[in-house]
Amino acid sequence: GAGVSQSPSNKVTEKGKDVELRCDPISGHTALYWYRQRLGQGLEFLIYFQGNSAPDKSGLPSDRFSAERTGESVSTLTIQRTQQEDSAVYLCASSPVQGFKNIQYFGAGTRLSVL
Amino acid sequence: DAKTTQPPSMDCAEGRAANLPCNHSTISGNEYVYWYRQIHSQGPQYIIHGLKNNETNEMASLIITEDRKSSTLILPHATLRDTAVYYCIVRLPAGGTSYGKLTFGQGTILTVHP
Repeated sequence: GAGVSQSPSNKVTEKGKDVELRCDPISGHTALYWYRQRLGQGLEFLIYFQGNSAPDKSGLPSDRFSAERTGESVSTLTIQRTQQEDSAVYLCASSPVQGFKNIQYFGAGTRLSVL
Repeated sequence: DAKTTQPPSMDCAEGRAANLPCNHSTISGNEYVYWYRQIHSQGPQYIIHGLKNNETNEMASLIITEDRKSSTLILPHATLRDTAVYYCIVRLPAGGTSYGKLTFGQGTILTVHP
């Protein structure tokens, strides 16, 4: 596709439910990142995938958060037993060729609301 | 990664040049300066980057001082659609443990008015 695609664009869920967010990176991009942005705040790094290397999970806030990526394609971010503090916009970004020059291309995000 | 300091907000008249400053006095020799912006309700968008020479692309110009301790992003003819939060980020480009997350500070809220 032309850009990074994220789905759904909006997700409303009840506290305690699990949610799965999807990211389709730009074709050919080997690096993929997930960030979280709470209302009025900056971006918080969550996780980073680079090719077949072990992902950098250092930003995941708790063991309720996990992410998978199949090869150099789609990634899913799963939040189990959602809490109200998980409400945020979840942003995905991808980069070509080992994070070339660190230019990251972002999707529009998934706005998650936990009631 | 070097820390950056930006003014919290700036105003600019439509059609005029917007000059957004960034201080990065602790920048190391091989760290690049990157600029991104985030328009309301959208994901961040890459604008430009540079090491020590001035750079220009279709979106903006980047002026880096000779000592590399500060830089200025220039939008030559600002439009209403340029209203956004602008982030200045300093880091190594890639390789080893240096690739990965971008650290976004608070940025500068640029408001372009008619």
